[in-house]
Amino acid sequence: DQQVKQNSPSLSVQEGRISILNCDYTNSMFDYFLWYKKYPAEGPTFLISISSIKDKNEDGRFTVFLNKSAKHLSLHIVPSQPGDSAVYFCAASVHGNEKLTFGTGTRLTIIP
Amino acid sequence: DAGITQSPRHKVTETGTPVTLRCHQTENHRYMYWYRQDPGHGLRLIHYSYGVKDTDKGEVSDGYSVSRSKTEDFLLTLESATSSQTSVYFCATAKEANTEAFFGQGTRLTVV
Repeated sequence: DQQVKQNSPSLSVQEGRISILNCDYTNSMFDYFLWYKKYPAEGPTFLISISSIKDKNEDGRFTVFLNKSAKHLSLHIVPSQPGDSAVYFCAASVHGNEKLTFGTGTRLTIIP
Repeated sequence: DAGITQSPRHKVTETGTPVTLRCHQTENHRYMYWYRQDPGHGLRLIHYSYGVKDTDKGEVSDGYSVSRSKTEDFLLTLESATSSQTSVYFCATAKEANTEAFFGQGTRLTVV
């Protein structure tokens, strides 16, 4: 039972344009969400997070939006740069629970 | 970033043999995790620890055991390796629950 879903396995975006990565979840108890970025042969690195009390969090070129009623979050990257080419994972957790549940990942390719 | 070292980085082993992967951290983080990454499945939690000698199962714990005798070390043991355990294994640590986790560089395990 996949509680966190990333339905797009891959995405290609022109350099300089906006990249939008999507994530859906089924567990309404999730209240903390994170995005990770992963390059080949490296471990995932934390990118940005959002708690359920907010609907938007911004950090430089990266913005995460949370729509609790739709159980949907998205990561916007603008402008997209070649170094953004990587696999992006969304993850979620329940307050008081130490475990993170990850999605299956979306491979983002930025076209120069 | 937390100093997380996984060893070995690569290992090939035969079916039926026991294998132990080691995770060492230098940040004194309370929580430690073992994940496996497989195509189409993203990152799945095997076991985690919330303190010395305190461990619990994740979603794919069958065939794996863990031990944490010191804050800095978290060992993952495959009791009798099978081909289905061929994967990339990641260790992660977190200072507190519901905060970002920091990942090691991964161990690529091949069971032949």
